[in-house]
Amino acid sequence: QSVLTQPPSASGTPGQTVTISCSGGGSNIGNNPVNWYQQLPGRAPKLLIYGDQRPSGVPDRFSGSKSGTSASLAISGLQSEDEADYYCAAWDGSLKSYVFGTGTTVSV
Amino acid sequence: EDQLVESGGGLVQPGGSLKLSCEASGFTFSNYWMNWVRQAPGKGLEWVANIDEDGSVRYYVDSVRGRFTVSRDNAKSSVFLQMNSLRPEDTAVYFCVRAIGGSRSYWGQGTQVTVSS
Repeated sequence: QSVLTQPPSASGTPGQTVTISCSGGGSNIGNNPVNWYQQLPGRAPKLLIYGDQRPSGVPDRFSGSKSGTSASLAISGLQSEDEADYYCAAWDGSLKSYVFGTGTTVSV
Repeated sequence: EDQLVESGGGLVQPGGSLKLSCEASGFTFSNYWMNWVRQAPGKGLEWVANIDEDGSVRYYVDSVRGRFTVSRDNAKSSVFLQMNSLRPEDTAVYFCVRAIGGSRSYWGQGTQVTVSS
């Protein structure tokens, strides 16, 4: 049972901007950094955004933001290779667990 | 090059046990928290457990607490997940993950665990 809620799907045409939301609570998003992971079909997940920063090698088309107990991932200049599942995640201080979002499948 | 290689997965009957291993290379293993994350067929990601740099602190998701035990051997750059009293709902691909919430997060390719009679 995920404690972070994401829309199940999102879509756009090449070049458009897609935004994925992630809703949580005070014990997770409200008090800890949010991370975003990308999982390409048949592959292991990969860190995309940690807090508000990108690991080296991640295109600047990907950006993350947070407000209160919600976070969002924006993908600008959408490309076909962005078709993947995207998960938000954060440490939950009450559960003493790392919690993932329900996941969003992006179609281009 | 950083690498995490999981092993030990397989088919086990309900109530059985299995021990997963994850061997690290390419980085200083003892500097990092290590995690196990699983993904059931066609489902999302679920964090299972983690362990701190020297093995003194461990956390578990409620559904496995008391059945699973995470441990590590820094001399062998390895982390383990001992899984007992396995249930069909434990069927998943299990990923070994370095520093799951930080900039140095890195995932292994996973090992399949199937619990079925």
